[in-house]
Amino acid sequence: GDSVTQMEGPVTLSEEAFLTINCTYTATGYPSLFWYVQYPGEGLQLLLKATKADDKGSNKGFEATYRKETTSFHLEKGSVQVSDSAVYFCALSGSGLSGGYNKLIFGAGTRLAVHP
Amino acid sequence: GAGVSQSPSNKVTEKGKDVELRCDPISGHTALYWYRQSLGQGLEFLIYFQGNSAPDKSGLPSDRFSAERTGGSVSTLTIQRTQQEDSAVYLCASSFVGASSYNEQFFGPGTRLTVL
Repeated sequence: GDSVTQMEGPVTLSEEAFLTINCTYTATGYPSLFWYVQYPGEGLQLLLKATKADDKGSNKGFEATYRKETTSFHLEKGSVQVSDSAVYFCALSGSGLSGGYNKLIFGAGTRLAVHP
Repeated sequence: GAGVSQSPSNKVTEKGKDVELRCDPISGHTALYWYRQSLGQGLEFLIYFQGNSAPDKSGLPSDRFSAERTGGSVSTLTIQRTQQEDSAVYLCASSFVGASSYNEQFFGPGTRLTVL
């Protein structure tokens, strides 16, 4: 079945360091791909998404490109801040052929800690 | 506007007792999802409701779990004869189903269930 694998954490970085969190997926059809973020004490929030191959999702300085050839959707940020400390989840949903139904399948999550 | 709300925020119960968790989706959202976030299993899909269609219960871990959605709005997740392994954060999400193949899911803050 469909699955998502993301790098294990925790990832600990100094402020202004470059961030990469790897994510690869296995899926039939053409899934949509997402990164969700969970800040301490808060609920899950959509960070960015890409719905087809070669799309680049971006938000708050974070980027991820949908790579069909490598089945990857790695999250990157050029310069992290302390406020980026959170748990990041990579996720996929179905191709949407059924029209609007998009059960999310999540990776295990990667905890990021940024220190000053 | 108001987001997805869930109640209670925390629930502590004794093994063998039944619990009910409530989700109030965003007004106008026709799709509603339940997920579970636990240390051992990560984020797992439980059940999905879309309009008047039969719910997709494929993620429910056992027949002790059930959910209903009344009037196409509020949903209740019921766990009967709770076990310690049911301890987790139960997340609800809702989305508006439109013409797009992807419909963003908005998550509630979750209910933290602890089974003693």
